[in-house]
Amino acid sequence: QVQLVESGGGVVQPGRSLRLSCAASEFTFNNYAMHWVRQAPGMGLEWLAGISYDGRNKYYADSMKGRFTISRDNSKNTLYLQMNSLRAEDTALYYCARVKFPLDGYNPVFDQWGLGTLVTVSS
Amino acid sequence: DIQMTQSPSSLSASVGDRVTITCRASQGISNYLAWYQQKPGKVPKLLIYAASTLQSGVPSRFSGSGSGTDFTLTIGSLQPEDVASYYCQKYNSDPPFTFGPGTKVDIK
Repeated sequence: QVQLVESGGGVVQPGRSLRLSCAASEFTFNNYAMHWVRQAPGMGLEWLAGISYDGRNKYYADSMKGRFTISRDNSKNTLYLQMNSLRAEDTALYYCARVKFPLDGYNPVFDQWGLGTLVTVSS
Repeated sequence: DIQMTQSPSSLSASVGDRVTITCRASQGISNYLAWYQQKPGKVPKLLIYAASTLQSGVPSRFSGSGSGTDFTLTIGSLQPEDVASYYCQKYNSDPPFTFGPGTKVDIK
C-alpha cells in the first residue's frame, strides 16, 4: 500500500519560512515524479510545484516562483517544499502527490495523495 | 497560461439521475485531461485520465469524453456515495498543471 505522509505544517507568522516534508513508502520513490498541491479552506485545488523522478527538472506555478522551492532526497524517500516569505493567503492544506506513470515527468496525473499537512499563516 | 473552467459550479440531482459536468480549457490540450473526485473531508481521488480512461477501481458509471478544449465527466446513474466535488486538471507537458475550480455535486 503506497504511503505518502506529509509533515512540517503548523502556525507561522507572516514573512517567516517553513519546510514541508513528504515521506514516501511502499513504492520505488526514485522512479516517480512528485508534486505539491494545496487547498485553502473551503476552496479548490491549486497545483504548486513538481519535480522529476531524478530531481533534475523542477516546475513551479508562476505565483510560487522565487518563494517556494521543491526538492527531493531519493536516498531518504522524501520530498520537500521550502516555503519562504509566507503570507496569509498561503494558509492551506498542503498535499504531496505521486504521478501515476513511473519514469515520466511530463504527464502529471496524480494517482496517490497524502493526507496533507495544514499550514496556517497568522500573526 | 492555459485557464481551466468548469460548469456548473454546483448541482443537485436525484439518485439515479445522469449527471454531466463540463470542463473547458482556454487552449487546446489534446486529451491531457484528468478528473478527480474529492469527498467532504477526504483526499482527492483520480477518476479518469487521458480524458476518457477510467482509473482502476473506479465504478463504470463514471465516464469521460472530449478532446482539445471541451471535456465532460458523466455519472451515468448518480449514487449517494457520489456526493463530492469534482475537479478537472490539465496535464499536458507545459506547466502549470492547472485544476479547474471544481463542481460540487449534491443529492436532491
